[in-house]
Formats: sequence, C-alpha cells, structure tokens
Amino acid sequence: QLQLQESGPGLVKPSETLSLTCTVSGGSLTSSSYYWDWIRQPPGKGLEWIASINYNGNRYYNPSLKSRVTISVDTSENQFSLKLKSVTAADTAVYYCARELGSTSNYFDYWGQGTLVTVSS
Amino acid sequence: QSALTQPASVSGSPGQSITISCTGSSSDVGGYNSVSWYQQHPGKAPQLMIYDVSNRPSGVSNRFSGSKSGNTASLTISGLQAEDEADYYCNSYTTSSTWVFGGGTKVTVL
Repeated sequence: QLQLQESGPGLVKPSETLSLTCTVSGGSLTSSSYYWDWIRQPPGKGLEWIASINYNGNRYYNPSLKSRVTISVDTSENQFSLKLKSVTAADTAVYYCARELGSTSNYFDYWGQGTLVTVSS
Repeated sequence: QSALTQPASVSGSPGQSITISCTGSSSDVGGYNSVSWYQQHPGKAPQLMIYDVSNRPSGVSNRFSGSKSGNTASLTISGLQAEDEADYYCNSYTTSSTWVFGGGTKVTVL
C-alpha cells in the first residue's frame, strides 16, 4: 500500500523559506505514469494546488505562487520536496503531498496526512 | 487561475439525493474530462470519490455519481447517509497544464 508522509518545521518566521519533504513508501517515485504534487489548505478554507513534478524533473507551478515556489525530486531517497520563499501569514496552511495519476486519466489518488505550517514570528 | 465555483453549502435529509455543482470555463472543466471530486472529513486528508467526470474508484459507494455539461460538472449523492456529511471539492485540469480546485461545499445531513 502506497503511503506518503510530509515532514518539516511546523513554524516558520515571516520572510523566511518554508521547506517540506514528502517521503514515499510502498512504491517508487520513478514510475512514468505519475506526477507528485503539493497542495495546501489554509485553516478553515479550501484546497489550493501548488506544484507538481515527475521523476524526470518535469515541473508545473500554480501561476499565483510560481515566483516563490520550487519543487524538486530525489529518486535515490524516494522523496520530493517543496520550498516556498518569502512567506507571510497568508502561507499558514496544512500542506499535503499527493500522487497524481498523469496519463490518460488525471487525478490525485493517494494523499499524505498533511502537516500544519504556521508562519509567525 | 480562478477557483472553480461551488455552492458553499448543500443539505438534505437521510435517504434524499443532493447535487453539488462545479462551474468553471472552457479552459478547465469545459475543456477536459479530467474532473475529479474529493470528500474531506474534519481533520482528515481529502479522499478521491469521482475521477474523469463520472468514474468511481474501487471502494467508493455507487451512491456517488458524477456528470458534466459544458463548463459545469456535478456530483450527486443519492440515498444520503449521516456518514456523507463532509466537505466536497471539485478539481479540474487546465489548459496551462495546472490544476484548479473549487472553493468547497459543506454537505449537511439534516
């Protein structure tokens, strides 16, 4: 059974960089059928897609966040990561990593449990 | 990219059917069959309920069904049960090779 687990600091200061890692177990990141995504949800609000990457390093970003976001993949560790720079309180959210089936069908079939990141001094 | 438009809340009595709409544009919902729906209970991660407009993953009740007409997708829950009370989000692929979610709909079972 595939499992995704987010990890990283739960508290980040304003103007600093938020860094999160998603560890994939029970499956490989190197399958060509999948992309690997980050999605966030501010407290009490809806879901927002942030970025996606595949094992080859093909990347896509939410246009509203593109200038501040970097997504990367480490196939040797079966992990992918998110960096969001110059954070503000508006970036406080539960951050989810998810697997995206990216072939003839497209959807998010596996999700991590989510990790709350608070931006505060 | 703008979020897809969903009603903030929908309610129904046990056994009834409810429908949640999700309106986008020709650049997302209307242009692709990559429309999916997710159920989210409080404090939990979203769970896939419908993919490719109308397909159910293994293990999802056949009380859940999806459809699309033009730029609007819909999720119907028939035979409403207490366990269906949750937030529901639609999602669509876009012409920019990105993804966009709806604002979410809170389903209340009366």
